[in-house]
Amino acid sequence: KAGVTQTPRYLIKTRGQQVTLSCSPISGHRSVSWYQQTPGQGLQFLFEYFSETQRNKGNFPGRFSGRQFSNSRSEMNVSTLELGDSALYLCASSLNRPTGEQYFGPGTRLTVT
Amino acid sequence: QKEVEQDPGPLSVPEGAIVSLNCTYSNSAFQYFMWYRQYSRKGPELLMYTYSSGNKEDGRFTAQVDKSSKYISLFIRDSQPSDSATYLCGGSNYKLTFGKGTLLTVNP
Repeated sequence: KAGVTQTPRYLIKTRGQQVTLSCSPISGHRSVSWYQQTPGQGLQFLFEYFSETQRNKGNFPGRFSGRQFSNSRSEMNVSTLELGDSALYLCASSLNRPTGEQYFGPGTRLTVT
Repeated sequence: QKEVEQDPGPLSVPEGAIVSLNCTYSNSAFQYFMWYRQYSRKGPELLMYTYSSGNKEDGRFTAQVDKSSKYISLFIRDSQPSDSATYLCGGSNYKLTFGKGTLLTVNP
């Protein structure tokens, strides 16, 4: 069974721009969560989608948004990029509600200059 | 106070040693507890997860949760150089919250 895939793997953007990241979950998994990982703050929860609905949200500004499609694929968008948005963005999928068992993708490394 | 606190290390041990990794948490709503391993430049991979208090063993790995003291532990027996990675502990009430991770190096 194929794992979680994320595209692109690396991205360089300029302050003020916006970016869209994509995630394809494991086949059959309906829940997709997004995380931001930085050396200073560690792995922080952004939001979780299930059946195209946002079910849970972390403490991030409204510039961070996401959506999920009917095939469970998900995208997250960051608008008006700031230098502090430079991070590894990870997507994780699970069958249903995210208990402790989630499967992470390799991440998208975003650098904002 | 962060919801999950974890000693960042780094921790360096010789091959074959028993490794003990520990975390504390403050969120009483956590129902599930987990350990993930992350190699450099990779996404985290699930090691073990448990529901509520107790022990869970999988090969050389044992996870322990004590909800009364809000303590999460991972023990690695007969550690191998391939165990060198960052270990992330966490709790979940359907929203996963992680510690910052402990960097472990197992020296041959």
